[in-house]
Amino acid sequence: GEDVEQSLFLSVREGDSSVINCTYTDSSSTYLYWYKQEPGAGLQLLTYIFSNMDMKQDQRLTVLLNKKDKHLSLRIADTQTGDSAIYFCAEIRDYKLSFGAGTTVTVRA
Amino acid sequence: GAVVSQHPSWVICKSGTSVKIECRSLDFQATTMFWYRQFPKQSLMLMATSNEGSKATYEQGVEKDKFLINHASLTLSTLTVTSAHPEDSSFYICSARDNKIGVSGNTIYFGEGSWLTVV
Repeated sequence: GEDVEQSLFLSVREGDSSVINCTYTDSSSTYLYWYKQEPGAGLQLLTYIFSNMDMKQDQRLTVLLNKKDKHLSLRIADTQTGDSAIYFCAEIRDYKLSFGAGTTVTVRA
Repeated sequence: GAVVSQHPSWVICKSGTSVKIECRSLDFQATTMFWYRQFPKQSLMLMATSNEGSKATYEQGVEKDKFLINHASLTLSTLTVTSAHPEDSSFYICSARDNKIGVSGNTIYFGEGSWLTVV
């Protein structure tokens, strides 16, 4: 199984905030990533964070990193129907990306 | 932002034939590209690391003679599925690592993926 772990499903009401959580394994990972995959499509890089940062904000997206607990989260403010997708967190390990199983986010009206 | 293009997006081939998928970095150079396979409702499985000018590095359990990888230039890697069988039907995604140093040096961009159906 994956060493990068995510909860599999998240249902959120339109307009509310979504929080997707992820735990990773390699404390030496220099970068951690969030990708979005819409049905039948490839991966879109949403954001990434340096390991020496605790937080990164980019418009509606906020990434929080807790290195001590190896915990990464992605918060989407004012969630819209277009945010419905699968979200993957990933860590760099041996110069390669290792992905979690993905969290399916469903936005309901 | 950086763009990675995959072609074809969809391909159907007959069992026993070979099919080639291309991965191009359109506005940056990529010494290293990666090929992933994704089964429905599952995560991405790294198949191999493609290195420009040298042999690809395959992950454990991936048959290198079945999945041929050629990285002929700094902007193009190809994956050829040889003697395809129905169990090879899957979604194949490539990614490319930008060669530039700095913030983008460790940013990896993905193509849109290629759906392969073997009948």
